[in-house]
Amino acid sequence: DAKTTQPNSMESNEEEPVHLPCNHSTISGTDYIHWYRQLPSQGPEYVIHGLTSNVNNRMASLAIAEDRKSSTLILHRATLRDAAVYYCILRGVNFGNEKLTFGTGTRLTIIP
Amino acid sequence: DTGVSQDPRHKITKRGQNVTFRCDPISEHNRLYWYRQTLGQGPEFLTYFQNEAQLEKSRLLSDRFSAERPKGSFSTLEIQRTEQGDSAMYLCASSLDMLEQYFGPGTRLTVT
Repeated sequence: DAKTTQPNSMESNEEEPVHLPCNHSTISGTDYIHWYRQLPSQGPEYVIHGLTSNVNNRMASLAIAEDRKSSTLILHRATLRDAAVYYCILRGVNFGNEKLTFGTGTRLTIIP
Repeated sequence: DTGVSQDPRHKITKRGQNVTFRCDPISEHNRLYWYRQTLGQGPEFLTYFQNEAQLEKSRLLSDRFSAERPKGSFSTLEIQRTEQGDSAMYLCASSLDMLEQYFGPGTRLTVT
């Protein structure tokens, strides 16, 4: 599985935008970039995914570099509820790529 | 849609005992996954089912572990002769085809 690299931790002030980076220099052409987050004492929660183009949904935006070797998850206005561990995961589309391979993620702390 | 449920939420057992966990996926989701998470780490894949067929097992799933999904609905994960190293959070997830995975709250196992 292609690997991702994320900072161990980040801090952000409440109500400000947050940019969470992820490097994936060995990404293959068929790998989707997925983001999940895990709030304290809960199971992981899907956030967003994309292939080449930038993506937006109600939770966040995903900005993908033109060479696809990196991506950034953007939370437009952080709230205290966004404090969580954020995981950047590459996932292929072929048979045998069902599982999610989690790293250690980025622990995001929101400062009130 | 009530989400993925897991039972029990917490289990304390003595070393050498057998334990069984249950996962009820979101109805109509054909894929079901089991993951294990230890403190400070991201979840690790254990196994997955497509309907009632178990299609992939991780090397983490030793002979003491067995999972079933009879009739393609709920799933059970059994651990025989538990060891202290089995202490972890056991997470279940379900999905429709290869779309986003929805996780349950997990079963926390403590082996004393």
